Amino acid sequence: GENVEQHPSTLSVQEGDSAVIKCTYSDSASNYFPWYKQELGKRPQLIIDIRSNVGEKKDQRIAVTLNKTAKHFSLHITETQPEDSAVYFCAATSGNTPLVFGKGTRLSVIA
Amino acid sequence: NAGVTQTPKFQVLKTGQSMTLQCAQDMNHNSMYWYRQDPGMGLRLIYYSASEGTTDKGEVPNGYNVSRLNKREFSLRLESAAPSQTSVYFCASSIGGLAHNEQFFGPGTRLTVL
Repeated sequence: GENVEQHPSTLSVQEGDSAVIKCTYSDSASNYFPWYKQELGKRPQLIIDIRSNVGEKKDQRIAVTLNKTAKHFSLHITETQPEDSAVYFCAATSGNTPLVFGKGTRLSVIA
Repeated sequence: NAGVTQTPKFQVLKTGQSMTLQCAQDMNHNSMYWYRQDPGMGLRLIYYSASEGTTDKGEVPNGYNVSRLNKREFSLRLESAAPSQTSVYFCASSIGGLAHNEQFFGPGTRLTVL
Protein backbone atom coordinates (compact mmCIF):
# COMPACT_ATOMS: atom_id res chain seq x y z
CA GLY A 1 0.00 0.00 0.00
CA GLU A 2 0.84 3.66 -0.14
CA ASN A 3 3.33 5.12 2.33
CA VAL A 4 3.75 8.88 2.75
CA GLU A 5 6.77 10.38 4.48
CA GLN A 6 6.69 14.05 5.53
CA HIS A 7 9.57 16.32 6.54
CA PRO A 8 10.37 18.19 8.68
CA SER A 9 8.22 17.30 11.66
CA THR A 10 8.65 20.81 13.08
CA LEU A 11 9.57 24.06 11.36
CA SER A 12 10.10 27.54 12.76
CA VAL A 13 10.39 30.59 10.50
CA GLN A 14 10.49 34.33 10.99
CA GLU A 15 7.41 36.24 9.93
CA GLY A 16 7.78 37.22 6.29
CA ASP A 17 10.11 34.35 5.42
CA SER A 18 9.16 31.34 3.29
CA ALA A 19 8.38 27.85 4.55
CA VAL A 20 8.76 24.60 2.62
CA ILE A 21 7.38 21.21 3.64
CA LYS A 22 8.27 18.10 1.66
CA CYS A 23 6.55 14.76 1.22
CA THR A 24 7.52 11.57 -0.56
CA TYR A 25 5.19 8.75 -1.56
CA SER A 26 5.77 5.14 -2.50
CA ASP A 27 2.97 4.16 -4.89
CA SER A 28 3.75 5.28 -8.43
CA ALA A 29 0.02 4.97 -9.23
CA SER A 30 -0.84 7.80 -6.85
CA ASN A 31 -2.36 10.73 -8.73
CA TYR A 32 -3.97 13.05 -6.19
CA PHE A 33 -2.04 15.00 -3.54
CA PRO A 34 -3.93 17.27 -1.13
CA TRP A 35 -2.60 19.38 1.73
CA TYR A 36 -4.56 19.97 4.92
CA LYS A 37 -4.03 22.61 7.60
CA GLN A 38 -5.00 22.02 11.21
CA GLU A 39 -4.97 24.94 13.62
CA LEU A 40 -4.60 24.22 17.31
CA GLY A 41 -7.70 22.52 18.67
CA LYS A 42 -9.47 22.64 15.31
CA ARG A 43 -10.34 20.21 12.58
CA PRO A 44 -8.12 19.64 9.48
CA GLN A 45 -9.15 21.67 6.44
CA LEU A 46 -8.05 21.37 2.82
CA ILE A 47 -5.90 24.30 1.69
CA ILE A 48 -4.65 23.17 -1.71
CA ASP A 49 -4.40 20.04 -3.83
CA ILE A 50 -2.67 18.94 -7.00
CA ARG A 51 -3.32 16.19 -9.49
CA SER A 52 -0.73 14.20 -11.38
CA ASN A 53 -1.27 15.93 -14.69
CA VAL A 54 -0.04 19.22 -13.21
CA GLY A 55 3.47 20.10 -12.03
CA GLU A 56 2.65 23.17 -9.97
CA LYS A 57 -0.36 24.96 -8.55
CA LYS A 58 -0.59 28.31 -6.78
CA ASP A 59 -3.19 29.98 -4.62
CA GLN A 60 -2.10 33.40 -3.37
CA ARG A 61 0.77 32.78 -0.91
CA ILE A 62 0.71 29.00 -1.09
CA ALA A 63 1.92 26.73 -3.86
CA VAL A 64 2.40 23.03 -4.34
CA THR A 65 4.88 21.35 -6.67
CA LEU A 66 4.88 17.75 -7.81
CA ASN A 67 7.74 15.65 -9.17
CA LYS A 68 6.25 12.36 -10.31
CA THR A 69 9.57 10.92 -11.41
CA ALA A 70 11.07 11.37 -7.95
CA LYS A 71 7.73 10.68 -6.24
CA HIS A 72 7.77 13.77 -4.09
CA PHE A 73 5.66 16.88 -3.67
CA SER A 74 6.14 20.03 -1.64
CA LEU A 75 4.13 22.84 -0.06
CA HIS A 76 5.56 26.34 -0.30
CA ILE A 77 4.25 29.23 1.82
CA THR A 78 5.64 32.67 1.03
CA GLU A 79 5.53 35.81 3.18
CA THR A 80 4.53 33.80 6.22
CA GLN A 81 2.21 35.36 8.78
CA PRO A 82 1.42 34.38 12.38
CA GLU A 83 -1.92 32.91 11.24
CA ASP A 84 0.03 30.38 9.15
CA SER A 85 1.13 28.71 12.40
CA ALA A 86 -0.53 25.27 12.38
CA VAL A 87 0.08 21.61 11.65
CA TYR A 88 0.17 20.78 7.95
CA PHE A 89 -0.56 17.32 6.56
CA CYS A 90 0.20 16.02 3.09
CA ALA A 91 -1.65 13.03 1.65
CA ALA A 92 -1.66 10.84 -1.43
CA THR A 93 -3.94 8.38 -3.17
CA SER A 94 -4.21 6.46 -6.42
CA GLY A 95 -7.97 6.92 -6.49
CA ASN A 96 -8.94 3.34 -5.73
CA THR A 97 -8.03 3.49 -2.07
CA PRO A 98 -8.53 6.10 0.65
CA LEU A 99 -6.11 8.95 1.28
CA VAL A 100 -2.92 8.12 3.17
CA PHE A 101 -1.68 11.01 5.30
CA GLY A 102 1.83 11.99 6.31
CA LYS A 103 2.57 12.42 10.01
CA GLY A 104 2.36 16.20 9.86
CA THR A 105 4.60 19.27 10.17
CA ARG A 106 4.14 21.75 12.98
CA LEU A 107 4.89 25.21 11.55
CA SER A 108 5.57 28.08 13.92
CA VAL A 109 5.78 31.60 12.51
CA ILE A 110 7.69 33.86 14.88
CA ALA A 111 6.70 37.50 14.86
CA ASN B 1 -25.91 23.65 6.86
CA ALA B 2 -23.99 22.16 9.82
CA GLY B 3 -21.48 20.16 7.71
CA VAL B 4 -20.07 17.22 9.68
CA THR B 5 -21.12 16.91 13.31
CA GLN B 6 -19.81 14.55 15.97
CA THR B 7 -20.99 13.61 19.43
CA PRO B 8 -19.79 13.62 22.10
CA LYS B 9 -17.04 16.25 22.13
CA PHE B 10 -15.29 14.72 25.15
CA GLN B 11 -15.54 11.32 26.82
CA VAL B 12 -13.74 9.55 29.64
CA LEU B 13 -14.08 5.76 29.87
CA LYS B 14 -12.71 3.10 32.14
CA THR B 15 -10.88 0.13 30.64
CA GLY B 16 -13.38 -2.42 29.39
CA GLN B 17 -16.30 -0.03 28.98
CA SER B 18 -18.01 0.35 25.63
CA MET B 19 -19.23 3.39 23.77
CA THR B 20 -20.37 4.62 20.37
CA LEU B 21 -19.15 7.77 18.68
CA GLN B 22 -21.75 9.35 16.45
CA CYS B 23 -21.14 11.20 13.19
CA ALA B 24 -23.59 12.83 10.80
CA GLN B 25 -23.25 14.94 7.66
CA ASP B 26 -25.83 17.05 5.88
CA MET B 27 -23.94 17.58 2.59
CA ASN B 28 -25.40 14.54 0.80
CA HIS B 29 -21.94 13.00 0.66
CA ASN B 30 -21.52 9.37 -0.34
CA SER B 31 -18.26 8.54 1.45
CA MET B 32 -17.54 8.74 5.17
CA TYR B 33 -14.44 8.02 7.26
CA TRP B 34 -13.23 7.57 10.81
CA TYR B 35 -9.71 8.63 11.78
CA ARG B 36 -7.76 8.70 14.97
CA GLN B 37 -5.12 11.35 15.65
CA ASP B 38 -2.29 10.74 18.08
CA PRO B 39 0.68 13.05 18.71
CA GLY B 40 3.32 12.60 16.02
CA MET B 41 1.28 9.96 14.19
CA GLY B 42 -0.79 12.05 11.85
CA LEU B 43 -4.27 10.97 10.82
CA ARG B 44 -4.73 7.22 10.67
CA LEU B 45 -7.76 5.70 9.02
CA ILE B 46 -9.76 3.31 11.18
CA TYR B 47 -12.71 2.42 8.91
CA TYR B 48 -14.39 3.97 5.93
CA SER B 49 -17.61 3.68 3.99
CA ALA B 50 -17.24 4.41 0.29
CA SER B 51 -21.02 4.45 -0.15
CA GLU B 52 -24.16 3.70 1.81
CA GLY B 53 -24.28 0.00 2.61
CA THR B 54 -20.53 -0.63 2.46
CA THR B 55 -17.78 -0.47 5.06
CA ASP B 56 -14.11 -1.38 4.88
CA LYS B 57 -11.15 -1.56 7.22
CA GLY B 58 -8.51 1.11 7.18
CA GLU B 59 -5.02 1.11 8.59
CA VAL B 60 -5.88 0.60 12.29
CA PRO B 61 -9.26 -1.23 12.61
CA ASN B 62 -8.52 -3.51 15.57
CA GLY B 63 -10.74 -2.86 18.58
CA TYR B 64 -13.34 -0.92 16.59
CA ASN B 65 -16.54 -1.58 14.69
CA VAL B 66 -18.58 0.72 12.47
CA SER B 67 -22.11 1.06 11.19
CA ARG B 68 -23.23 3.09 8.19
CA LEU B 69 -26.74 3.64 9.48
CA ASN B 70 -27.91 5.56 6.41
CA LYS B 71 -26.38 8.01 3.96
CA ARG B 72 -26.06 10.70 6.64
CA GLU B 73 -24.78 8.75 9.63
CA PHE B 74 -21.66 6.70 10.33
CA SER B 75 -20.96 5.48 13.86
CA LEU B 76 -17.83 4.09 15.47
CA ARG B 77 -18.10 1.62 18.35
CA LEU B 78 -15.52 0.61 20.91
CA GLU B 79 -16.69 -2.67 22.40
CA SER B 80 -14.12 -2.93 25.19
CA ALA B 81 -12.08 0.24 25.52
CA ALA B 82 -8.33 0.04 26.19
CA PRO B 83 -5.90 2.81 27.26
CA SER B 84 -4.26 2.51 23.80
CA GLN B 85 -7.50 3.88 22.34
CA THR B 86 -7.01 7.20 24.09
CA SER B 87 -6.97 9.59 21.14
CA VAL B 88 -8.79 12.30 19.25
CA TYR B 89 -11.27 10.82 16.80
CA PHE B 90 -12.31 12.62 13.64
CA CYS B 91 -15.13 11.74 11.32
CA ALA B 92 -14.95 13.01 7.73
CA SER B 93 -17.02 12.86 4.58
CA SER B 94 -16.49 13.42 0.86
CA ILE B 95 -18.88 13.85 -2.01
CA GLY B 96 -18.22 10.61 -3.83
CA GLY B 97 -15.61 7.97 -4.39
CA LEU B 98 -12.58 7.52 -2.20
CA ALA B 99 -10.23 10.03 -3.71
CA HIS B 100 -9.93 13.17 -5.76
CA ASN B 101 -12.45 14.83 -3.53
CA GLU B 102 -12.06 17.15 -0.59
CA GLN B 103 -12.71 15.52 2.74
CA PHE B 104 -14.68 17.60 5.24
CA PHE B 105 -13.88 16.87 8.86
CA GLY B 106 -16.01 17.04 11.95
CA PRO B 107 -14.87 18.87 15.11
CA GLY B 108 -13.47 15.74 16.73
CA THR B 109 -14.10 13.70 19.87
CA ARG B 110 -11.41 13.65 22.56
CA LEU B 111 -11.52 10.22 24.22
CA THR B 112 -9.58 9.24 27.33
CA VAL B 113 -9.52 5.63 28.51
CA LEU B 114 -8.32 5.15 32.08
